Amino acid sequence: GAVVSQHPSRVICKSGTSVKIECRSLDFQATTMFWYRQFPKQSLMLMATSNEGSKATYEQGVEKDKFLINHASLTLSTLTVTSAHPEDSSFYICSAAGTSGGAPLGELFFGEGSRLTVL
Amino acid sequence: DAKTTQPPSMDCAEGRAANLPCNHSTISGNEYVYWYRQIHSQGPQYIIHGLKNNETNEMASLIITEDRKSSTLILPHATLRDTAVYYCIVRVSYGGATNKLIFGTGTLLAVQP
Repeated sequence: GAVVSQHPSRVICKSGTSVKIECRSLDFQATTMFWYRQFPKQSLMLMATSNEGSKATYEQGVEKDKFLINHASLTLSTLTVTSAHPEDSSFYICSAAGTSGGAPLGELFFGEGSRLTVL
Repeated sequence: DAKTTQPPSMDCAEGRAANLPCNHSTISGNEYVYWYRQIHSQGPQYIIHGLKNNETNEMASLIITEDRKSSTLILPHATLRDTAVYYCIVRVSYGGATNKLIFGTGTLLAVQP
């Protein structure tokens, strides 16, 4: 099946630094990718929709200047957590909607997630 | 807001069928029912989806009521590795930004040895 890869899987950083998380669709092209955040024992919360070649669309309550999203190609979207604080510690998960290649049109496939710990 | 209602938790004996219910009484005519599961500390895994007919694949079966207001995911022979949170989601299935998945609280299925 279609594969979505996230990197890094785990990252620890100091408060005030920025962290970049990559999301790649390995065997299909994805014009749309989604970023989620999940706190312990909670469900996934959609943060933003990332569209290739255009600005991301953020869900209500998500700070676009803090969570920078770039979708520069049909196989890569990045999420940068700027000036990270301990409350940003969370599990970040991306998903990609297949538009061509090895994924059924419109289906969503998820990465393995990236666990961010801010000290 | 999520448009589905699921029980928070269920137990199932290993080797027996696990039947996970989901209510989606406000589902629209063009919305599909999707099921994903999330094993601890991993990304969600697609299981199955359907519109109005029952569906079966190598992982599970999906039974949708005739009025489409509820559905049941069936794992025919549950194993310990099926222990996970199962999410039932309604979603219009086509490409584009409106194709996003909104997760509810899901059902924690605990398969007991």
